[in-house]
Amino acid sequence: NAGVTQTPKFQVLKTGQSMTLQCAQDMNHNSMYWYRQDPGMGLRLIYYSASEGTTDKGEVPNGYNVSRLNKREFSLRLESAAPSQTSVYFCASSVQGYSNQPQHFGDGTRLSIL
Amino acid sequence: SQQGEEDPQALSIQEGENATMNCSYKTSINNLQWYRQNSGRGLVHLILIRSNEREKHSGRLRVTLDTSKKSSSLLITASRAADTASYFCATVNSGGYQKVTFGTGTKLQVIP
Repeated sequence: NAGVTQTPKFQVLKTGQSMTLQCAQDMNHNSMYWYRQDPGMGLRLIYYSASEGTTDKGEVPNGYNVSRLNKREFSLRLESAAPSQTSVYFCASSVQGYSNQPQHFGDGTRLSIL
Repeated sequence: SQQGEEDPQALSIQEGENATMNCSYKTSINNLQWYRQNSGRGLVHLILIRSNEREKHSGRLRVTLDTSKKSSSLLITASRAADTASYFCATVNSGGYQKVTFGTGTKLQVIP
């Protein structure tokens, strides 16, 4: 039972390059989330998808786009990477949006932008 | 913006001792959740306490919630080296659009 799987685990980009972070969950969850974690900042929500076919901005959406490809998969795209986007990115899922449902996290993608 | 703020930021104890971490928040909540994060890994959900609950237990974990003081505490009893991790509180606000906001975490080191 894999839970939430993120790929890649590590990535180094040059400023201006683009890339897509992949996330898939096998728990039949409706809601999925993308966070970034920076030292001393805790986790900040970038985008979320309450259900298949919907996406909404979180706290720090600028510079990112997302696609809810199907119920299992939720990808995060950096169109033109900037050094300020160096961070650890976590994908999470829950049975349904927020409320009383715990979130299940992947192990993160460590992204460095030079 | 950070809703939950954990205190202390770092805590070092001997194996077998109890560890207490605190979380303060600013707005009314629907529930408060605690998560653990081992180094290099994702967050793992530990326990959820609803706004109408005052205390909850799960194994060696005890969580209290005081909505009048807008604070929560996580107690880990008889700590083990394997409890070494960062612990985060997360609040889900009440009313209207519900969102979960994570604090900055307490880094716990349990010395064998």
